[in-house]
Amino acid sequence: EAQVTQNPRYLITVTGKKLTVTCSQNMNHEYMSWYRQDPGLGLRQIYYSMNVEVTDKGDVPEGYKVSRKEKRNFPLILESPSPNQTSLYFCASSFGRAFETQYFGPGTRLLVL
Amino acid sequence: SQELEQSPQSLIVQEGKNLTINCTSSKTLYGLYWYKQKYGEGLIFLMMLQKGGEEKSHEKITAKLDEKKQQSSLHITASQPSHAGIYLCGADIPSRRDDKIIFGKGTRLHILP
Repeated sequence: EAQVTQNPRYLITVTGKKLTVTCSQNMNHEYMSWYRQDPGLGLRQIYYSMNVEVTDKGDVPEGYKVSRKEKRNFPLILESPSPNQTSLYFCASSFGRAFETQYFGPGTRLLVL
Repeated sequence: SQELEQSPQSLIVQEGKNLTINCTSSKTLYGLYWYKQKYGEGLIFLMMLQKGGEEKSHEKITAKLDEKKQQSSLHITASQPSHAGIYLCGADIPSRRDDKIIFGKGTRLHILP
């Protein structure tokens, strides 16, 4: 079954404690991205990757890091989380810029205290 | 300023009624994508429109892209409880010269039995 998986699905942490949200896809997609969704602000892209070892900033990259060492994985790293990073995070993947093929993960709810 | 405006922000309709959601851009779009999101879950791709004047249908949902490729509408006929959720439009805007799509803030649709 084609899917994008994210872990964990729910996370409560404290300010400053480093965390990683994993994302994995099984469709051999080149393009992967991370979004955050906030009430009133909609869905905003954090980082994206066109292929292995190629990453680029989205619209709201501050406070986040990513890496793309393997095609299937695209982890999101928060080195020093802050309360304003409390949000619902989605990972997505697609065949290049063919966004009609984009699959989204189930989401990760993060609460930073 | 928001590059993609969706209206209305929320909509409550009686089951069986028709409804329309709009998505407007100030710039010409290369591609316009409609997604549906069940509350708290990931996005599911519905349709993609690329050509001016194009219209596509899937079950009781019809989406159109105007001739100037700056506005799209999503129309649901004879709404059902299964149509409830958040509808988002996403757009590929060539003038941005980047490799990503942007999203509107979404329209929350509630269906009353």
